[in-house]
Amino acid sequence: QQQVKQSPQSLIVQKGGISIINCAYENTAFDYFPWYQQFPGKGPALLIAIRPDVSEKKEGRFTISFNKSAKQFSLHIMDSQPGDSATYFCAARRRSNYQLIWGAGTKLIIKP
Amino acid sequence: EPEVTQTPSHQVTQMGQEVILRCVPISNHLYFYWYRQILGQKVEFLVSFYNNEISEKSEIFDDQFSVERPDGSNFTLKIRSTKLEDSAMYFCASSARAVDEQFFGPGTRLTVL
Repeated sequence: QQQVKQSPQSLIVQKGGISIINCAYENTAFDYFPWYQQFPGKGPALLIAIRPDVSEKKEGRFTISFNKSAKQFSLHIMDSQPGDSATYFCAARRRSNYQLIWGAGTKLIIKP
Repeated sequence: EPEVTQTPSHQVTQMGQEVILRCVPISNHLYFYWYRQILGQKVEFLVSFYNNEISEKSEIFDDQFSVERPDGSNFTLKIRSTKLEDSAMYFCASSARAVDEQFFGPGTRLTVL
């Protein structure tokens, strides 16, 4: 079964610090790796995404690092702010049918 | 900015009852999805729908579940005879093409008593 494993389950970071969330996947049948941000009571919203032919993608304070050989990718949030406090999900999209396979989520709390 | 909407925001039902969850996808989108998130757990794919047909479904999407696009704007998920374990947040999503970003609605919290 295709799996995406996400860690840590929860993370507390001081304001201004760097938040790092990691994901690993189990096979190479994926063509797109998005990160979603979810606030309480809301649906997931796409934050940033990367394709496997790129090793890094940066959008503002958010960066995805992608290691194809290790089948790992991570989200870095620089200068973390209290407004970044949310649950973050990594996902991998199946090449064959575009179905999203989700990680378990990381609850991020940024302390002021 | 166009968005996916869902109603109701919270539905409470008795075990064995039928529920219909409603979604209005973004108007020019052609691909529609339902996902489920049991409290504190990961988001799980249920079904995708295109051209008035189910294109993919997961093992969760058994005979108790059905989807329908009854008119040009709504997309519904029906659970025929709810079980306690159906209690979850149900998210609808839509995309313009299969390869495009999926936009999610705010979800319906289903509580089965």
